[in-house]
Amino acid sequence: GQQVMQIPQYQHVQEGEDFTTYCNSSTTLSNIQWYKQRPGGHPVFLIQLVKSGEVKKQKRLTFQFGEAKKNSSLHITATQTTDVGTYFCKSGGSYIPTFGRGTSLIVHP
Amino acid sequence: KAGVTQTPRYLIKTRGQQVTLSCSPISGHRSVSWYQQTPGQGLQFLFEYFSETQRNKGNFPGRFSGRQFSNSRSEMNVSTLELGDSALYLCASSLVGGEAGELFFGEGSRLTVL
Repeated sequence: GQQVMQIPQYQHVQEGEDFTTYCNSSTTLSNIQWYKQRPGGHPVFLIQLVKSGEVKKQKRLTFQFGEAKKNSSLHITATQTTDVGTYFCKSGGSYIPTFGRGTSLIVHP
Repeated sequence: KAGVTQTPRYLIKTRGQQVTLSCSPISGHRSVSWYQQTPGQGLQFLFEYFSETQRNKGNFPGRFSGRQFSNSRSEMNVSTLELGDSALYLCASSLVGGEAGELFFGEGSRLTVL
């Protein structure tokens, strides 16, 4: 079945540093979604990317979808303590919705 | 508008018992999907229901089942519980469901099997 690899598993940063998480699929995706889960909370939808090479921004967050629609990244500029949580990608285009294992972001003040 | 409501929030069962979890989606959403979240396996898809029909199913044994009612509320059942079934069970509702639907998750039901 379809697999979505997400790296890194954990990322420690000092507040103000940048952060990036990557998702890679073995197959071409029809779309990719990103979610954020705060500690003790539930996943919350951030964005969906559909087009090849698409780039979308939400304030300090930048989302990219690769040209081949097999990879995606989420970049946070100048992290804040409110960015703490686990970021998941979710692939679209297969029978079974597949989430990446997530990247847990730890921000040190 | 009200979000996705899951009940119960916490429950403890023993091996061999069965459990039923409930999910009330956002009003107007016809798709409800269920996920199991564990530290070891991450978020894994159980099944999706749309207008009372199971649209697709993940790779879980037949002990895991679900249903959806005419008001879109959904239940999932796990029979003959095993220790490995301990997890956070998340329900997500979506307006259209499928691969492109934005998922709105509930707070989850945390199941502990002793």
